[in-house]
Amino acid sequence: GAVVSQHPSWVICKSGTSVKIECRSLDFQATTMFWYRQFPKQSLMLMATSNEGSKATYEQGVEKDKFLINHASLTLSTLTVTSAHPEDSSFYICSADDRGVGKLFFGSGTQLSVL
Amino acid sequence: SQQGEEDPQALSIQEGENATMNCSYKTSINNLQWYRQNSGRGLVHLILIRSNEREKHSGRLRVTLDTSKKSSSLLITASRAADTASYFCATDGGAAGNKLTFGGGTRVLVKP
Repeated sequence: GAVVSQHPSWVICKSGTSVKIECRSLDFQATTMFWYRQFPKQSLMLMATSNEGSKATYEQGVEKDKFLINHASLTLSTLTVTSAHPEDSSFYICSADDRGVGKLFFGSGTQLSVL
Repeated sequence: SQQGEEDPQALSIQEGENATMNCSYKTSINNLQWYRQNSGRGLVHLILIRSNEREKHSGRLRVTLDTSKKSSSLLITASRAADTASYFCATDGGAAGNKLTFGGGTRVLVKP
């Protein structure tokens, strides 16, 4: 099946710094990728839809200036958490749709801890 | 807000037993999918059932869909310790369009 690579797997950073998370589709082209946030023992909450070559679409309540998304190519989307604070600590997961097959392929997630 | 609500939230069974979990949703859908997540990992797609289908099988998995009740069930037969994970239903369609909306998940523990 399709493979989505996400890294880093985990990152610890100081409050106020920015962190970039990469999501790559390895064996298919993804015009659309999705970024989710997940708190412990909770479900995935969609943050934004990343569209190749255009601006991301953010869900209500998600600060676009806080969570910068760039989808510069058909195989790479990045999420940058700017000026991270402890409340941004969470598990972030990306996914990609293999050309409208209808099912999503997920990265392995990134655990972000902001000190 | 989440479209799907799952129950139970947690399930503990012995290896060899069957595990059943349910998902209810509120609006019309195109498809309903089930995903599995091991702790601290991404999600793995298990099975997709379309709105015009009522039942689907994949190996030890059996999924049913009742659109009149807006509910789905996932049955794992002859469970194994390796089935220990969280299971999420996800729906698309309706107001959400093609975006997937995930349920709260069921945490399954299979004891050897």
